[in-house]
Amino acid sequence: DAGVTQSPTHLIKTRGQHVTLRCSPISGHKSVSWYQQVLGQGPQFIFQYYEKEERGRGNFPDRFSARQFPNYSSELNVNALLLGDSALYLCASSFRAPNYGYTFGSGTRLTVV
Amino acid sequence: KQEVTQIPAALSVPEGENLVLNCSFTDSAIYNLQWFRQDPGKGLTSLLLIQSSQREQTSGRLNASLDKSSGRSTLYIAASQPGDSATYLCAVRVAGNQFYFGTGTSLTVIP
Repeated sequence: DAGVTQSPTHLIKTRGQHVTLRCSPISGHKSVSWYQQVLGQGPQFIFQYYEKEERGRGNFPDRFSARQFPNYSSELNVNALLLGDSALYLCASSFRAPNYGYTFGSGTRLTVV
Repeated sequence: KQEVTQIPAALSVPEGENLVLNCSFTDSAIYNLQWFRQDPGKGLTSLLLIQSSQREQTSGRLNASLDKSSGRSTLYIAASQPGDSATYLCAVRVAGNQFYFGTGTSLTVIP
């Protein structure tokens, strides 16, 4: 069974540009969450989606948005990129019930120049 | 707001030594606690998941304990190996299905 898959693995963008990151959850997982990990820090919660609805949002500006599709895959969009958006973006999937753990993908390394 | 702290930030031990990594959290209202391993530039690999009602979980050379009332968890690694070198992160799952992570402990096992 495939794990959580993220694409692309790496990308470089210029300040002011827009980026879209993609995530496919483990089969059967309907909950997808996005995290940002800046070098040397622990991951920070950005969004959680369940059944195509936003169920949680972290302390990130409105430049960050996401959506979940009927097949439970998800996209994270970031507009007007800043240098400080350079980070590893992690996607995690889980069953909805809180007693389940999360499975993370390998991440997308975004560099903004 | 939940805050998760991991001590020490970095640890270097000789191969074969047993070691303990510490994690503390400020709000005991958690669903579970999960320990992850992260290799440089990579994603997170789940090691152990402890439910709030449990006291410990074991997997091979790893043992994790949880004392929810005091807001503490430990990860015990027995007979450390160079391949154990990585950053170890603990995370607590709270209402809203959000995880709060610590900043990690960077472990180096010297052959």
